[in-house]
Amino acid sequence: DAGITQSPRHKVTETGTPVTLRCHQTENHRYMYWYRQDPGHGLRLIHYSYGVKDTDKGEVSDGYSVSRSKTEDFLLTLESATSSQTSVYFCAILGGGASNEQFFGPGTRLTVL
Amino acid sequence: DQQVKQNSPSLSVQEGRISILNCDYTNSMFDYFLWYKKYPAEGPTFLISISSIKDKNEDGRFTVFLNKSAKHLSLHIVPSQPGDSAVYFCAASAYGAGNKLTFGGGTRVLVKP
Repeated sequence: DAGITQSPRHKVTETGTPVTLRCHQTENHRYMYWYRQDPGHGLRLIHYSYGVKDTDKGEVSDGYSVSRSKTEDFLLTLESATSSQTSVYFCAILGGGASNEQFFGPGTRLTVL
Repeated sequence: DQQVKQNSPSLSVQEGRISILNCDYTNSMFDYFLWYKKYPAEGPTFLISISSIKDKNEDGRFTVFLNKSAKHLSLHIVPSQPGDSAVYFCAASAYGAGNKLTFGGGTRVLVKP
């Protein structure tokens, strides 16, 4: 258990509304990631962070922004939600040591109507 | 352009037999490969990994094989158990690239008792 929580776990919203998803970790990991999972696509990286206030884009960053004001929290914001952003969102942290193993949170299921 | 592909969306195997999952990649910069297992409504959990300097890594019932010249890796599960029924994702990363993971589309495994 890497001590990762995500909130909310489920959300239904309407097109055009802003949405913020929160990822919280308890073990001071430097790297944090946001992925979305869609059928046939596996998981795709949206944004990631390599430290407080240090973030970079991933493969599918359009329509998303992130913020990391403290080590333990990584926020994903959909400025104006669209139906194409209906998905399951996973947060991950990079484990310690020399490995590239990431450990994932339980996910947030977002439905945009 | 999918850089990591799992060409078999599903696999059915009898309990006690071997499950073989395959994964192909196109990016020669990938140097670390991982397998994740995912149950419904949960986040992916790390299973096993392999560095590009090796061609085999074993952990209990799970063995990953890497063929760099063919850009192919496989996961062997022996013997398969009903609890192994899940979706399996292979993932790859390149050194120095923010430890970002690129995932395949997943293979759903069903182990029949």
